[in-house]
Amino acid sequence: AQSVTQLGSHVSVSEGALVLLRCNYSSSVPPYLFWYVQYPNQGLQLLLKYTTGATLVKGINGFEAEFKKSETSFHLTKPSAHMSDAAEYFCAVTSSGTYKYIFGTGTRLKVLA
Amino acid sequence: ETGVTQSPTHLIKTRGQQVTLRCSSQSGHNTVSWYQQALGQGPQFIFQYYREEENGRGNFPPRFSGLQFPNYSSELNVNALELDDSALYLCASSSGTSGGPVRQYFGPGTRLLVL
Repeated sequence: AQSVTQLGSHVSVSEGALVLLRCNYSSSVPPYLFWYVQYPNQGLQLLLKYTTGATLVKGINGFEAEFKKSETSFHLTKPSAHMSDAAEYFCAVTSSGTYKYIFGTGTRLKVLA
Repeated sequence: ETGVTQSPTHLIKTRGQQVTLRCSSQSGHNTVSWYQQALGQGPQFIFQYYREEENGRGNFPPRFSGLQFPNYSSELNVNALELDDSALYLCASSSGTSGGPVRQYFGPGTRLLVL
């Protein structure tokens, strides 16, 4: 079975500060990992994904994530927060041969002026 | 913005009623997955349809059912609505059946309130 744990349901950062959103996964098979962002009253938008190969993945809007197998982590970072980054972020896991994504419970990011 | 559309955007029903939600998948996609997102939670997989057949199901009771049409659009039907069915229902379209690295494109969702 696969699972995802997102540490911190709410994270606040100052504008211009580093954003770090934590995601740990559990998977008995090689995982594929995703980060999605959800703005109020909208669906999910893909930020980035890890499948195979390079463990540092760059996504849209300046976000990146690093797959660390030894730590079973896939934390999302952005060097400098912008007000427009305020949203809810979801980490998700799936694997080859399955048909469903397992999502974490989400982290709501607040950016302070 | 994806090419996935859902209707209606909002819906209010009473307990015991039945509801049908609709999803139009992105052009060229033959797979539709449905998710339930309760308030403050992540999306939970309901089921997936591939070429008009149910291809997999999550831990949801049989009163949650679906259809996929020849044009790959899809419906989610929920019978005997319960208060806990209140949620945002998301549909995602993709090409192919494997959950692997295939990207799912999400629609904006239908928000259902059961009173």
